[in-house]
Amino acid sequence: EAQVTQNPRYLITVTGKKLTVTCSQNMNHEYMSWYRQDPGLGLRQIYYSMNVEVTDKGDVPEGYKVSRKEKRNFPLILESPSPNQTSLYFCASSLDRQGVNGELFFGEGSRLTVL
Amino acid sequence: QQQVKQSPQSLIVQKGGIPIINCAYENTAFDYFPWYQQFPGKGPALLIAIRPDVSEKKEGRFTISFNKSAKQFSLHIMDSQPGDSATYFCAARVGSGNTGKLIFGQGTTLQVKP
Repeated sequence: EAQVTQNPRYLITVTGKKLTVTCSQNMNHEYMSWYRQDPGLGLRQIYYSMNVEVTDKGDVPEGYKVSRKEKRNFPLILESPSPNQTSLYFCASSLDRQGVNGELFFGEGSRLTVL
Repeated sequence: QQQVKQSPQSLIVQKGGIPIINCAYENTAFDYFPWYQQFPGKGPALLIAIRPDVSEKKEGRFTISFNKSAKQFSLHIMDSQPGDSATYFCAARVGSGNTGKLIFGQGTTLQVKP
């Protein structure tokens, strides 16, 4: 089954404790991206990757890091989480940056709470 | 201006009603307008999409209306059902291939009451 898998789905952590949210896709997509979803703000792009070892900032990259060492994996790293990073995070993948016919494939989301 | 403004933020209708979600944009370089549907606890998924050279597109009970001169587009859900309760995002594409990107609206949470 074609899918984007994120882990963990739910996480409560404390300010400053480094965490990583993993993302893996099995569709051989070159493009992967991270979004955060906040009420009233919609989906905002954090980082994206065109291919292995190629990453770039999205619209809200502050406080986040990513890496793309393998085509299928695109982890999101919060080096020193802060409460304003409490959000619902989605990983997405596609054949290219804007999706063939606008279609991005999203994971099921990771709800992060930073105390 | 690379923004897509979506309204309303939330919407409640009775079963059988026709909820309408509106989106507006400024950038005339946008060339493709998809809608995504997100059920609680799930990620968004592509629902329907339209190109700006078409004024209307229907897929089942879902219809997109597009007004190029007004730079507005909307989603109509005919004979809405409780199973349509979800968050809906409009989006707009600018550029192509690996220079393009999708810009999402703010989202509309729809509740269809039985």
